[in-house]
Amino acid sequence: GAVVSQHPSWVICKSGTSVKIECRSLDFQATTMFWYRQFPKQSLMLMATSNEGSKATYEQGVEKDKFLINHASLTLSTLTVTSAHPEDSSFYICSASPSFNQETQYFGPGTRLLVL
Amino acid sequence: GENVEQHPSTLSVQEGDSAVIKCTYSDSASNYFPWYKQELGKRPQLIIDIRSNVGEKKDQRIAVTLNKTAKHFSLHITETQPEDSAVYFCAASLLAGNMLTFGGGTRLMVKP
Repeated sequence: GAVVSQHPSWVICKSGTSVKIECRSLDFQATTMFWYRQFPKQSLMLMATSNEGSKATYEQGVEKDKFLINHASLTLSTLTVTSAHPEDSSFYICSASPSFNQETQYFGPGTRLLVL
Repeated sequence: GENVEQHPSTLSVQEGDSAVIKCTYSDSASNYFPWYKQELGKRPQLIIDIRSNVGEKKDQRIAVTLNKTAKHFSLHITETQPEDSAVYFCAASLLAGNMLTFGGGTRLMVKP
């Protein structure tokens, strides 16, 4: 089956630093990838939709200058949390929709970010 | 935009009993309604889904019903087992490959 990976699986950083999270579709090409954020004991909230070769579409309330998204290839999207603060600590999960079958999507394993 | 409400937020049942989780959505344009099971620290796992042209779908102990007129859908788990204990999320989207709007989640606890 289709596999989506994320790297790193967890990261601890100091307040004020930037953190890059990678989302890769390992065995398929994905025109569209989605980034979700999940705070403890809460639901998944869509942050942005990442389209290969174009600018990401951000949801209301998500700062595009703070959460930089780059989808430079059909198998890789990156989310950079710039100047991270403790309130950015969360579980970040991506999902990818295959270019050959946009009737489905596959989730990555998630990245747990802890900002000290 | 779409808004999905999910109830109950917690559900405790005895092993062997049935569990029902209900969701309502607001956008009549939504056509795809998946259900996910999420264990602590893991990715959501798709357990069953239903599209708007179908009223009911069943897969072994799991079934989903959809009332598009009333804009609500439900997950039914029969003969619950302790390994069914997890957080369950409903979601809605225009298409299966589109962005998902999730419900608030239901923590299901199955007591042995």
